Amino acid sequence: QKEVEQNSGPLSVPEGAIASLNCTYSDRVSQSFFWYRQYSGKSPELIMSIYSNGDKEDGRFTAQLNKASQYVSLLIRDSQPSDSATYLCAASMDSSYKLIFGSGTRLLVRP
Amino acid sequence: GAGVSQSPSNKVTEKGKDVELRCDPISGHTALYWYRQSLGQGLEFLIYFQGNSAPDKSGLPSDRFSAERTGGSVSTLTIQRTQQEDSAVYLCASSLLGPGANVLTFGAGSRLTVL
Repeated sequence: QKEVEQNSGPLSVPEGAIASLNCTYSDRVSQSFFWYRQYSGKSPELIMSIYSNGDKEDGRFTAQLNKASQYVSLLIRDSQPSDSATYLCAASMDSSYKLIFGSGTRLLVRP
Repeated sequence: GAGVSQSPSNKVTEKGKDVELRCDPISGHTALYWYRQSLGQGLEFLIYFQGNSAPDKSGLPSDRFSAERTGGSVSTLTIQRTQQEDSAVYLCASSLLGPGANVLTFGAGSRLTVL
């Protein structure tokens, strides 16, 4: 099993809908998780981090961490066409600073 | 500097040649990371530095790849005897250690094309 796994998509949602992006992880990762957004041809940029079990909200974005089930998700409310991008889930390894990324989920928000 | 700077932004080379890619991290960022991204793929971890030392080199694909960091700042990724499968975008990122760790700021990348 890969350390961090994501469905490659594309996930297509209409404008204004909630987009739900999921990520599962193995036992080898620690408890720090991150969501990065990558527009086509650009570098990734951090949008959310989550360290504790439960939900963390920031504007239209909500990150959810469920340690028992080993998954982390990102919800985007009121999706906009400008949210169309690849979303990368990342987790730190064990007790190190090594950060491992999933393969990313491509999100397409239809106007 | 204000951001992570990488050079060259674009490099086209012939198979068998050596290439050097440079990364200048954000001032004060102790951690520095190298990733590789092939077309349409995710980020493949190569190596990371804490200061000048590399605790984990496990991601380097072969012994043709090496990296160093001097003065706790600039890092160079060297690929010897390049192969066509080395063609990718090489991304460098930096972050703080301790609080703020793993909050990576990425450079614009170096696109390598091996003919």
